[in-house]
Amino acid sequence: ETGVTQSPTHLIKTRGQQVTLRCSSQSGHNTVSWYQQALGQGPQFIFQYYREEENGRGNFPPRFSGLQFPNYSSELNVNALELDDSALYLCASSAAWGSGANVLTFGAGSRLTVL
Amino acid sequence: DQQVKQNSPSLSVQEGRISILNCDYTNSMFDYFLWYKKYPAEGPTFLISISSIKDKNEDGRFTVFLNKSAKHLSLHIVPSQPGDSAVYFCAASGRSVGNTGNQFYFGTGTSLTVIP
Repeated sequence: ETGVTQSPTHLIKTRGQQVTLRCSSQSGHNTVSWYQQALGQGPQFIFQYYREEENGRGNFPPRFSGLQFPNYSSELNVNALELDDSALYLCASSAAWGSGANVLTFGAGSRLTVL
Repeated sequence: DQQVKQNSPSLSVQEGRISILNCDYTNSMFDYFLWYKKYPAEGPTFLISISSIKDKNEDGRFTVFLNKSAKHLSLHIVPSQPGDSAVYFCAASGRSVGNTGNQFYFGTGTSLTVIP
């Protein structure tokens, strides 16, 4: 069984740039969520994708956007990067709600540093 | 607005003794709670969960207790082992909470150190 994989593991960007983070979900999972974990904080929900559509969003501005592909992999895009966007970005996959879905399987994360 | 709180940033316990990690929540609509463990440079891994219809769930050395009236849950690890040293996150969700989806609210974590 393949777990959740994320790329890149680390990256450095400058303020104003754009970044794309990628995630492959665990085999058998069709739902992908993205979380932001700032230093010293717990993960914060950004959004969730199911059947290639966003079906839940946390308190993040529109410059945070995503995609889910037919193979259930996903991308997180962040435009106009700000210094406060520096964080660990975690991708998590799960089965659809109501089918033993209530456990997220996380990847190791992508560490983004914005200078 | 922090809806899930872990007020102890760190905890040290001797090997073989009991570790008790605490978590408080504010939203009475939460109906499902989980504990995750995180090692450095790894993603959080699921440890144990509990539904709001129960007040206790046990899995080997790990037991989670839920007190709905106090909006409090705790994770007990008995006996504690050095390999349990990690950051532990409490998380909560509810079908009718938030903007649909499978949104989980996480605490800030407690760093557990088990001393050999």
